[in-house]
Amino acid sequence: DTEVTQTPKHLVMGMTNKKSLKCEQHMGHRAMYWYKQKAKKPPELMFVYSYEKLSINESVPSRFSPECPNSSLLNLHLHALQPEDSALYLCASSQDATVKGYTFGSGTRLTVV
Amino acid sequence: RKEVEQDPGPFNVPEGATVAFNCTYSNSASQSFFWYRQDCRKEPKLLMSVYSSGNEDGRFTAQLNRASQYISLLIRDSKLSDSATYLCVVNVNTGGFKTIFGAGTRLFVKA
Repeated sequence: DTEVTQTPKHLVMGMTNKKSLKCEQHMGHRAMYWYKQKAKKPPELMFVYSYEKLSINESVPSRFSPECPNSSLLNLHLHALQPEDSALYLCASSQDATVKGYTFGSGTRLTVV
Repeated sequence: RKEVEQDPGPFNVPEGATVAFNCTYSNSASQSFFWYRQDCRKEPKLLMSVYSSGNEDGRFTAQLNRASQYISLLIRDSKLSDSATYLCVVNVNTGGFKTIFGAGTRLFVKA
């Protein structure tokens, strides 16, 4: 299994909703990441988990809350988002948080209305 | 100055052409280098790692020049299916590792 699986693929939510994005990998990777990508821009790092511990938070607003229940799963909890948070949210994993390349999931396309 | 800079393009080339992209990075603590390919509305996919000795994978050749702090990607015999955005990615050792994406170079290969 060489995939990173993200659900849902598409999500439309209101500004008062609470929702969660899910990411799963079974490659034994010990680093997992959340990225945000706007149209025609490169991915922007949000969070890094290394060995199930949050190691990097790139000054992300608290309305985004990551969670790593175990080494295979990564969640992103969303609450009180703004329309400008609409984007493609990408999960990625790598063998560890050092020099290896990433495997990305196919992303969740989020629209906040 | 951006930490990783790429010419955004677009590069419009005919099938069969050879096309080259360059990418420059500013942080001398950069330790590993990659090219990713991203199709429209899809996730980035790792194309190849880049080594100082240069590496080749079929029609793709990547090169790293540490002294000048740039990496390159050469695509020979371009196919229509090569049309995509090519992202230059650099891992910088800042105590922990930070991954920095370039803004991408768009390639259109036309029949």
